[in-house]
Amino acid sequence: AQTVTQSQPEMSVQEAETVTLSCTYDTSENNYYLFWYKQPPSRQMILVIRQEAYKQQNATENRFSVNFQKAAKSFSLKISDSQLGDTAMYFCAFIRYTGNQFYFGTGTSLTVIP
Amino acid sequence: NAGVMQNPRHLVRRRGQEARLRCSPMKGHSHVYWYRQLPEEGLKFMVYLQKENIIDESGMPKERFSAEFPKEGPSILRIQQVVRGDSAAYFCASSPGRVVNTEAFFGQGTRLTVV
Repeated sequence: AQTVTQSQPEMSVQEAETVTLSCTYDTSENNYYLFWYKQPPSRQMILVIRQEAYKQQNATENRFSVNFQKAAKSFSLKISDSQLGDTAMYFCAFIRYTGNQFYFGTGTSLTVIP
Repeated sequence: NAGVMQNPRHLVRRRGQEARLRCSPMKGHSHVYWYRQLPEEGLKFMVYLQKENIIDESGMPKERFSAEFPKEGPSILRIQQVVRGDSAAYFCASSPGRVVNTEAFFGQGTRLTVV
């Protein structure tokens, strides 16, 4: 079975500062993908960043980057230069390479303080 | 290209009634997924469909829940004889191929409240 754990229910960060959201997962698979999704108050799930497990290089998307530690089964999200629009729930998700379903964590509620 | 459209956004049903949730995937997408989000929880997979076929329904409750994705028209998630525990946000996602090879786009969800 696959599980995804986000141990920080709530976090806050000052505007323009950097924040890191934690995520760990458990799987016996070797090939899989990891994602961070953002869910603002509108409830729309928006893909932030995606990482293939076979790639050692950490994925980056503008102000968003990940620290992927495969051996430790850790996948943290770093948001640089935080903006008010980053306020949202952030979900870490996992999918097996041969799978059809995402496994989501319980989310971290991030508030960016002006 | 409009995004994934779900309707209604909000649905209130009395216990014992039926709930029908609709999902129109993005144009060109033939893969549809339904997820349920209970309060304070992440999304949980329910079912994966391709046109006219259920591919994986391992997350669907055995009773009262069904899903379809007909050749024409939206995908429908149907909940019969709703109970209070069915109150949740139901999300649909679509993709042009298998989700590991492409990107899945989510709708804004339908919030079902059972009173």
